[in-house]
Amino acid sequence: SQTIHQWPATLVQPVGSPLSLECTVEGTSNPNLYWYRQAAGRGLQLLFYSVGIGQISSEVPQNLSASRPQDRQFILSSKKLLLSDSGFYLCAWRPQPTGELFFGEGSRLTVL
Amino acid sequence: ILNVEQSPQSLHVQEGDSTNFTCSFPSSNFYALHWYRWETAKSPEALFVMTLNGDEKKKGRISATLNTKEGYSYLYIKGSQPEDSATYLCAFNLHDKIIFGKGTRLHILP
Repeated sequence: SQTIHQWPATLVQPVGSPLSLECTVEGTSNPNLYWYRQAAGRGLQLLFYSVGIGQISSEVPQNLSASRPQDRQFILSSKKLLLSDSGFYLCAWRPQPTGELFFGEGSRLTVL
Repeated sequence: ILNVEQSPQSLHVQEGDSTNFTCSFPSSNFYALHWYRWETAKSPEALFVMTLNGDEKKKGRISATLNTKEGYSYLYIKGSQPEDSATYLCAFNLHDKIIFGKGTRLHILP
C-alpha cells in the first residue's frame, strides 16, 4: 500500500533562517506531488506541484522554492524565512493522471 | 486566476438534522471536482472525485451533486452526527493543478 510521510512535524524558526521540509511517498511510482500551506484563518493555498523529477510548477511567487530530486521525494525550502511564512504545510500526492489527493501529516511552522 | 468559492463559511447544525453547502468554480476548462473532509488534528481525506456533469455520488449519509455547465456542486449530509463535525473542502482540478476553496466549517450541536 502507498504511504506518505513529511517531516518535521513542528518547527520554530527565527526570521531570516533557512527552511527545509521533506516529503516522501512510498509504494507508488511517478506520482504527482503537491505542497499546500494553510495560513491562519485562510484556506489551503497551492504553493508548488510536480509531475515528474525536476519538474516544478510554482503557483505563488515568494521566497519559497521546491525541488524533486527523486521520483518520490519532494522538498520545500527557503533561504530566508519571513514572518508571513508561518503556517501549516501539507504535502500531498496522487496517481497520475487523475484521482484524489492523499495528504501527509502536515508540518507546523512558526517563524518568530 | 482560478476562484473556488464555498458557502457558508461556517455552519451550526443540530444533531439529527440534515444540511448542505455549496462550492462554485469556473465552468470552463473543467476537469474534475473534489470534496474532502478535514477533521481537527488530522489531514484532509477525500470524500468524492466527480468528473461528469449531472454526476451524483454517495458515501453513507453524505452525497454530492455536480453541475459543470453552471459551475457548482452541493454536498449533502443527512441526519448529522457529532462525528460529522469537520471542515469540508472542495477543490477544482484543472489538469495537474488542484485549487481549494476556503472550506465550510461544520459544527454539530448535541
